Amino acid sequence: GQQLNQSPQSMFIQEGEDVSMNCTSSSIFNTWLWYKQDPGEGPVLLIALYKAGELTSNGRLTAQFGITRKDSFLNISASIPSDVGIYFCAPRVSGSRLTFGEGTQLTVNP
Amino acid sequence: SQTIHQWPATLVQPVGSPLSLECTVEGTSNPNLYWYRQAAGRGLQLLFYSVGIGQISSEVPQNLSASRPQDRQFILSSKKLLLSDSGFYLCAWSKGADTQYFGPGTRLTVL
Repeated sequence: GQQLNQSPQSMFIQEGEDVSMNCTSSSIFNTWLWYKQDPGEGPVLLIALYKAGELTSNGRLTAQFGITRKDSFLNISASIPSDVGIYFCAPRVSGSRLTFGEGTQLTVNP
Repeated sequence: SQTIHQWPATLVQPVGSPLSLECTVEGTSNPNLYWYRQAAGRGLQLLFYSVGIGQISSEVPQNLSASRPQDRQFILSSKKLLLSDSGFYLCAWSKGADTQYFGPGTRLTVL
């Protein structure tokens, strides 16, 4: 089956610092999605990537679809307290089913 | 615009009791619908998905079941809850193979 590794598992940073997290797999994917989940709520889509090598930004967030199609990273610049939450990568091979990473728990200290 | 609702928001049930969680979507037709479970705030496990009324695919063998009695209604059920059924249950919808959008979730505690 597909093996998906998301790292780091957790991060504790100071406000204003940049953040980087990534997902790697032994499988090839056609789409990489990145979601953020606030405590007690459902995940919300941050960025969607559809082509190998694609680099997409959404405000302070930047994500890239790895050229091998087996990995993706998400960067957050100049973190703020409301960036706190769990970030998930969710790649897709085909169809509508997603595979979710285990998540990166981000804590931002003011 | 599309919205997705889940209820109840929280539920505390004794072991052995039945369960019924409901999910409804507004503003779209013939969506794909999904039930996920999340334990301890990490990792979403796909339980069921549906591409149409009465069409349910199960991903993980368990004592839960799902039904889709109407186009935009998805129900998660159990006849007898286990302690291990505790968790955060999330419903999601998508238009075909497009992005999935999640509901607010139901926190289930089985005692």
